[in-house]
Amino acid sequence: DIQMTQSPSSLSASVGDRVIITCRASQSISSYLSWFQHIPGKAPKLLINGASSLRSGVSSRFSGSGSGTDFTLTISSLQPEDFATYHCQQTYRIPLTFGQGTKLEI
Amino acid sequence: QITLKESGPTLVKPTQTLTLTCTFSGFSLSTSGVGVGWIRLPPGKALEWLALIYWDDDKRYSPSLRSRLTITKDTSKNQVVLTLTNMDPVDTATYFCARRRGDYGEYFDYWGQGTLVTVSS
Repeated sequence: DIQMTQSPSSLSASVGDRVIITCRASQSISSYLSWFQHIPGKAPKLLINGASSLRSGVSSRFSGSGSGTDFTLTISSLQPEDFATYHCQQTYRIPLTFGQGTKLEI
Repeated sequence: QITLKESGPTLVKPTQTLTLTCTFSGFSLSTSGVGVGWIRLPPGKALEWLALIYWDDDKRYSPSLRSRLTITKDTSKNQVVLTLTNMDPVDTATYFCARRRGDYGEYFDYWGQGTLVTVSS
């Protein structure tokens, strides 16, 4: 299985801050990586697929980069609605695997 | 508009079988390339992929849970059913279903809100 290591596990930040979340794969997954946002009680929301392709309707505050084994999700200027848990997922090979999640708190 | 919704019991006893239904709208599971998957989120842990069923009825399972899982679809009802046998307290989690797209990797573009299943006697 491909292991996904996400860091940090939690992060405190303020509105307007720029934050970076990283995700590392245990082997190369090319650009087969997705990022999700999850607010408890709501449906997880796909933000980015293909490591850097922003989904339609997602704010341009979000951006993704990386390929191979190392990836980042950047939120350029935090807004109140961005405080949530973020997950990465490798979409390269079954079994599909996720990072441990990053809880972004005020 | 694409929506998915999970339904099933909120409480099951150890050793029982869990049956969850994903009812979706806005797409068809008979369309080439489409699939529906199940993923769970145990409290305080990472998301865990469980199973995936494709438009052509091909199925994939998590290797660690394969012996306990079954996924089926009813295309006419727009439903996908997941069964997990021999439930244990470690199976306590929020269970999600999601639409699979395969145009660039196996990714999930729409998710349901999830249903919390607690395993306890």
